[in-house]
Amino acid sequence: EDKVVQSPLSLVVHEGDTVTLNCSYEVTNFRSLLWYKQEKKAPTFLFMLTSSGIEKKSGRLSSILDKKELSSILNITATQTGDSAIYLCAVIGGNQFYFGTGTSLTVIP
Amino acid sequence: GAGVSQTPSNKVTEKGKYVELRCDPISGHTALYWYRQSLGQGPEFLIYFQGTGAADDSGLPNDRFFAVRPEGSVSTLKIQRTERGDSAVYLCASSPRPGEIQYFGAGTRLSVL
Repeated sequence: EDKVVQSPLSLVVHEGDTVTLNCSYEVTNFRSLLWYKQEKKAPTFLFMLTSSGIEKKSGRLSSILDKKELSSILNITATQTGDSAIYLCAVIGGNQFYFGTGTSLTVIP
Repeated sequence: GAGVSQTPSNKVTEKGKYVELRCDPISGHTALYWYRQSLGQGPEFLIYFQGTGAADDSGLPNDRFFAVRPEGSVSTLKIQRTERGDSAVYLCASSPRPGEIQYFGAGTRLSVL
């Protein structure tokens, strides 16, 4: 059965901390892994990773894929209260998207 | 349009009633997806369309759920004889082609009383 597992399920940190979110997957016909940020209702796209070992970076956020370990990490440095959200990992297998349950991040001032 | 639009944003209905949820995808996107998300869970796949046809409806939970996309753009998710367990946020997403980045709407929060 195809599945995507995220850890931790929830995380509470103080502003300025660095966090690492994990995503592991078992998906047939793997094509890409995506990270989304979900505040309120609509997930917003962060990164799409297709190749192993190539870091994608956007400001304080970065992500990398390890296809040998079937996993990815999302790093957020110098966290801010605006980073509080649910971070979703999704894997494209064929034309299907498989989502993890998400990591709920709370950043305390 | 500029983004994926879903209406209504909130829908409250009574058990046993029929509801329709609408999704207007990004213009030119051929693939359209419906998901259901319960509290504390990731989006759960329901159905996806490539053009006008349902390419994969394996996620629809039972025959009370049905979706159409008659002209290859706007889609409607229809739920018959609603049950309290249908309460959730229903998300719609579109992508230029299947298997590419999906862009999500703000969702419809359905509450079945």
